[in-house]
Amino acid sequence: SAVISQKPSRDICQRGTSLTIQCQVDSQVTMMFWYRQQPGQSLTLIATANQGSEATYESGFVIDKFPISRPNLTFSTLTVSNMSPEDSSIYLCSARTDKNIQYFGAGTRLSVL
Amino acid sequence: AQSVTQPDIHITVSEGASLELRCNYSYGATPYLFWYVQSPGQGLQLLLKYFSGDTLVQGIKGFEAEFKRSQSSFNLRKPSVHWSDAAEYFCAVLTTDSWGKLQFGAGTQVVVTP
Repeated sequence: SAVISQKPSRDICQRGTSLTIQCQVDSQVTMMFWYRQQPGQSLTLIATANQGSEATYESGFVIDKFPISRPNLTFSTLTVSNMSPEDSSIYLCSARTDKNIQYFGAGTRLSVL
Repeated sequence: AQSVTQPDIHITVSEGASLELRCNYSYGATPYLFWYVQSPGQGLQLLLKYFSGDTLVQGIKGFEAEFKRSQSSFNLRKPSVHWSDAAEYFCAVLTTDSWGKLQFGAGTQVVVTP
């Protein structure tokens, strides 16, 4: 299994600022992902974090708004840039093991004022 | 198009009663199948998975799920629900033609009454 530590667990931010969310996995994993979950909704994939290269973004998400880094096999960051109230959501880090099992962090609950 | 369907958005069940949550998928081949639970304010926890073999799989917290190829279904069950089972439940699939993406259903909200 993989245990994922995500921080911060929650934050309240001002419009126009940026927030960086960190994700640390306790073991080497093959793939890491970032999701967004709107209240009462399912998960939407933002991007796949690739080690040492640019992330692969899903339709509707762009690097300028959601820059992602993955400097090694167990760590990744997601930045939410130039925030607006529409960015208020839960952001979840996820990692997939070589057994094709995907685990999730506890999430970051973001409120933008 | 590939899809995962959870027909029930919301289910209310009495404590001690049985629970069944439905999940149907639309793929050409048998995918890898998962059930996750999300308690309020928490991330997703893996309940169980099916890759191959015995079609009835046991998971944590007393849950089980049965894969039925003929119905493209992977329903989750629990014989006796506890108040702590109140949560959101997500079915998810991973297919060999989309190794990069875990596809989620819309989720089923379970409310447990005394």
